[in-house]
Amino acid sequence: EPEVTQTPSHQVTQMGQEVILRCVPISNHLYFYWYRQILGQKVEFLVSFYNNEISEKSEIFDDQFSVERPDGSNFTLKIRSTKLEDSAMYFCASIPWSGGNADTQYFGPGTRLTVL
Amino acid sequence: EDQVTQSPEALRLQEGESSSLNCSYTVSGLRGLFWYRQDPGKGPEFLFTLYSAGEEKEKERLKATLTKKESFLHITAPKPEDSATYLCAVQAALGGATNKLIFGTGTLLAVQP
Repeated sequence: EPEVTQTPSHQVTQMGQEVILRCVPISNHLYFYWYRQILGQKVEFLVSFYNNEISEKSEIFDDQFSVERPDGSNFTLKIRSTKLEDSAMYFCASIPWSGGNADTQYFGPGTRLTVL
Repeated sequence: EDQVTQSPEALRLQEGESSSLNCSYTVSGLRGLFWYRQDPGKGPEFLFTLYSAGEEKEKERLKATLTKKESFLHITAPKPEDSATYLCAVQAALGGATNKLIFGTGTLLAVQP
């Protein structure tokens, strides 16, 4: 069964450093998402991406964040200058199409980002 | 503001002891309500999608129901392997075309043998 994959599973970085989190969505999917989950808190929406551009972003997704689909398979989240409060699990999700019905989002296993 | 509230925060059951988890929501038009299971350190695993009040879905020991204000996840005769955090999420019809999910904080279920 196709699944969303994410790398690395755990990333440790120093405050102020840039990190890139990678995701390979399910192959025929068209909408892509990033969410984050701070330890002990709820899963929060960061950004959605369709047709090579951002469709929607949350207040969390400030100028330090960017997303890219550099080729036909990868979807990346870049944090330019990490802060301590960026420490969280980051989840990638995808759906085949955003039509009139609610489409199920399938999540990857996550990347645990630890900022020291 | 669209919001999802789950209760209880944590639930401990004996194996075979049936119970229900609650998800109350306030949303500007419901496009869909989702239940996910999350194991520690893992991503949410899809369980059910419910679209309209009165709808029910079942999978093994789990059954999800939906009203206009809340959803229940009923667990019948649970086993230790059902132990996990159960997440409820909604998509708002007026939340843009991107179908972003709004999550509750989850219910941590522990089933003891």
